[in-house]
Amino acid sequence: NAGVTQTPKFRILKIGQSMTLQCTQDMNHNYMYWYRQDPGMGLKLIYYSVGAGITDKGEVPNGYNVSRSTTEDFPLRLELAAPSQTSVYFCASSSPGTGDDEQYFGPGTRLTVT
Amino acid sequence: KQEVTQIPAALSVPEGENLVLNCSFTDSAIYNLQWFRQDPGKGLTSLLLIQSSQREQTSGRLNASLDKSSGRSTLYIAASQPGDSATYLCAVRAWGGSEKLVFGKGTKLTVNP
Repeated sequence: NAGVTQTPKFRILKIGQSMTLQCTQDMNHNYMYWYRQDPGMGLKLIYYSVGAGITDKGEVPNGYNVSRSTTEDFPLRLELAAPSQTSVYFCASSSPGTGDDEQYFGPGTRLTVT
Repeated sequence: KQEVTQIPAALSVPEGENLVLNCSFTDSAIYNLQWFRQDPGKGLTSLLLIQSSQREQTSGRLNASLDKSSGRSTLYIAASQPGDSATYLCAVRAWGGSEKLVFGKGTKLTVNP
């Protein structure tokens, strides 16, 4: 298993541009999450999904959109990028109720908006 | 609203020392608590997960304890090594709902040879 994979690893955007951060997991987990981590801070939840077709907002959803058309994929869309969205973005997945309560994280995407 | 605090923010110790990292949370109604390790520029690696019904978990040189009533967890690292240098994050999960984790800001550990 590759686990949770994210692309790209790094990206520089200009203010006002848009992009999609990709996240894929091959563990057949029903729950997926997007977090952002600002320097010296813990991770904050942006959006999450409890299964294909179901998404919900987390703590800091403004400026982002998500979709979940398959179990494996959970892309995060940034529309009209702003400097405040400069951060490291982590995707995670889990499968609660199966005996494994851990969340598994991808390697992250480092985004700079200038 | 659940808040997680980790003290100290940074810690520097000589190799071989035993050390304790602290994590406190404001709402004791948690489902579990997870300790992660993060190396610079890397993702998160899960170290230990403690269910709310458990008092501690051990893995190798690591031991994590949980005291829900006082809202505290500790991560004990025995015989520290330079390879243990990393940022250690504590996260708690509430009952039901999104299963989301609420993270502390982490403790940056440096183990000097």
